[in-house]
Amino acid sequence: AQSVSQHNHHVILSEAASLELGCNYSYGGTVNLFWYVQYPGQHLQLLLKYFSGDPLVKGIKGFEAEFIKSKFSFNLRKPSVQWSDTAEYFCAVNAGNAGNMLTFGGGTRLMVKP
Amino acid sequence: NAGVMQNPRHLVRRRGQEARLRCSPMKGHSHVYWYRQLPEEGLKFMVYLQKENIIDESGMPKERFSAEFPKEGPSILRIQQVVRGDSAAYFCASSPPAIPDGYTFGSGTRLTVV
Repeated sequence: AQSVSQHNHHVILSEAASLELGCNYSYGGTVNLFWYVQYPGQHLQLLLKYFSGDPLVKGIKGFEAEFIKSKFSFNLRKPSVQWSDTAEYFCAVNAGNAGNMLTFGGGTRLMVKP
Repeated sequence: NAGVMQNPRHLVRRRGQEARLRCSPMKGHSHVYWYRQLPEEGLKFMVYLQKENIIDESGMPKERFSAEFPKEGPSILRIQQVVRGDSAAYFCASSPPAIPDGYTFGSGTRLTVV
């Protein structure tokens, strides 16, 4: 069974700092990759997704993620964070043999200090 | 408006009572997924259903928990004889048969067992 690891459980940054959140998965075949964000007290919302093509994917609110197949990674980045980016971020993987199933990482809580 | 409707938003139950959580998927979505989010923990998969079928229930506790998605009406997650440890946020997500857009999540039901 596939697994998804998010190594940073808590990240604290000051506004304008750059952000990179790690995501690694265990499946060796074709994958579809997602990042979701959960603002305090709200539901999960899709930030960006990768299916094929350009491994650098741009999402909403200035976020991007890079798929590096050789490293089984799909790290999330943002050049300059804002206080409003304070949220929990979840990486998710849909493996090619898993039908519609998404496997989620444990999440990373980001706090941005004003 | 998340498109996936969950109700109630908040549910308080005494130990030993039953909790019923409802989820109406987005229009056109035939697949429903239930996740549990415990305080300070990530998102844990519980069950994946299509209309009248349980596809994967590998994340469901063996006792007291059940789920259904009838031909008509919402999906129901039922927890019998609730205990304090059942207190959590329960999120429902839905998707169309193909996965390209990932899941759409509802706003969740926050269950508190007193």
